[in-house]
Amino acid sequence: EVQLVQSGAEVKKPGESLKISCKGSGYKFTNYWVGWVRQMPGKGLEWMGIIYPNDSDTTYSPSFQGQVTISADKSLTTAYLQWKSLKVSDTALYYCTRCYGFEGEFDYWGQGTLVTVSS
Amino acid sequence: DIQMTQSPSTLSASVGDRVTITCRASQSFSRWLAWYQQKPGQAPKLLIYEASTLQSGVPSRFSGSGSGTEFTLTISSLQAEDFATYYCQQYNSYWTFGQGTKVEI
Repeated sequence: EVQLVQSGAEVKKPGESLKISCKGSGYKFTNYWVGWVRQMPGKGLEWMGIIYPNDSDTTYSPSFQGQVTISADKSLTTAYLQWKSLKVSDTALYYCTRCYGFEGEFDYWGQGTLVTVSS
Repeated sequence: DIQMTQSPSTLSASVGDRVTITCRASQSFSRWLAWYQQKPGQAPKLLIYEASTLQSGVPSRFSGSGSGTEFTLTISSLQAEDFATYYCQQYNSYWTFGQGTKVEI
């Protein structure tokens, strides 16, 4: 069974750093891209970026370029999304997704990680 | 960037109704469009990809059509479990979601 299991909810202060994770199982992790999607409270879905774990080829949405870093460790079948300095406006639910081929549909989603940034 | 605009933003319907949601793209492309369903407190779920291909396990009352700049999602007979928010997504050039359509009673 394909699963993407994300790390738990986080509460952080502005300026703090954070790295959340997404562990893939039930499929060949290096054959699929892993994308990240943001959903701000009560809002829609926004694509942030995507990584190919086999070689760590990464593409970012222009809206998120320079704001976050996406990485992956294929030996752990895990992808990551990290911030160096969180802002209150980073408060959101973050989903990881699986995608076969660059520019494909997102066929599996993680359960989401809620990140709350508040002073 | 390709922008996606869904209509309506909210749709009030009853069980058994035929429901159609439209997604318009700012640029034309062939079939690289997906539809997702999201229920409160849950992750989105893929319903349709390549504009009209039903994802495995998705009931046949869901269908998709369109190409170019206009795409539609149709639910032929709305069921209680279909009340949710629906998003279109283009993946012709990177990925962009529509703003969502909430289907409510």
